[in-house]
Amino acid sequence: QKEVEQNSGPLSVPEGAIASLNCTYSDRGSQSFFWYRQYSGKSPELIMFIYSNGDKEDGRFTAQLNKASQYVSLLIRDSQPSDSATYLCAGNAGNNRKLIWGLGTSLAVNP
Amino acid sequence: ETGVTQTPRHLVMGMTNKKSLKCEQHLGHNAMYWYKQSAKKPLELMFVYSLEERVENNSVPSRFSPECPNSSHLFLHLHTLQPEDSALYLCASSQGTGSSGANVLTFGAGSRLTVL
Repeated sequence: QKEVEQNSGPLSVPEGAIASLNCTYSDRGSQSFFWYRQYSGKSPELIMFIYSNGDKEDGRFTAQLNKASQYVSLLIRDSQPSDSATYLCAGNAGNNRKLIWGLGTSLAVNP
Repeated sequence: ETGVTQTPRHLVMGMTNKKSLKCEQHLGHNAMYWYKQSAKKPLELMFVYSLEERVENNSVPSRFSPECPNSSHLFLHLHTLQPEDSALYLCASSQGTGSSGANVLTFGAGSRLTVL
């Protein structure tokens, strides 16, 4: 059974801090990983994707991938209350159009 | 209209009803998807259409019937549903055939379905 696991949280951080969201996956064949953000009552929206080992930065967001450890993370620097949402991690299942999703981590950024 | 639009946003139906969910994408994408989102469960992929051809059908019960008349429109026909089918049904679209592009999904706002 291919799985993506995330700590459901809630993860609570103060405004301005670094939020660290983590994800592990079981399928070594997974090649690309995606972070989607879902605000309460809204649909998911893509934040970043990563397919190479190492770090990928986009503004306040950094995605990190370690294929040897089967670990993906998302760092949010200078966290803002508007970052409060559920963050969904997903990996492609070796099939171009199929993603395996985690349950999501709920993040609360406190002013 | 921009992005991916879904109608209706909310639907309540009895187990013997027949209803349909509609999705339209205005992005020129070549693939469309139906996902089911239930509380305490990961997003479940139901169907994928690429260039109007169904390419994925994840063992979904036959009471859910998809239809993709063209690359911009996707329907989910519902018939004799069960209360456990109550969930948020999300439509999405994507462009590209590589694993990265194909999984960059744009979601609609969702249709909240309640089966009584």
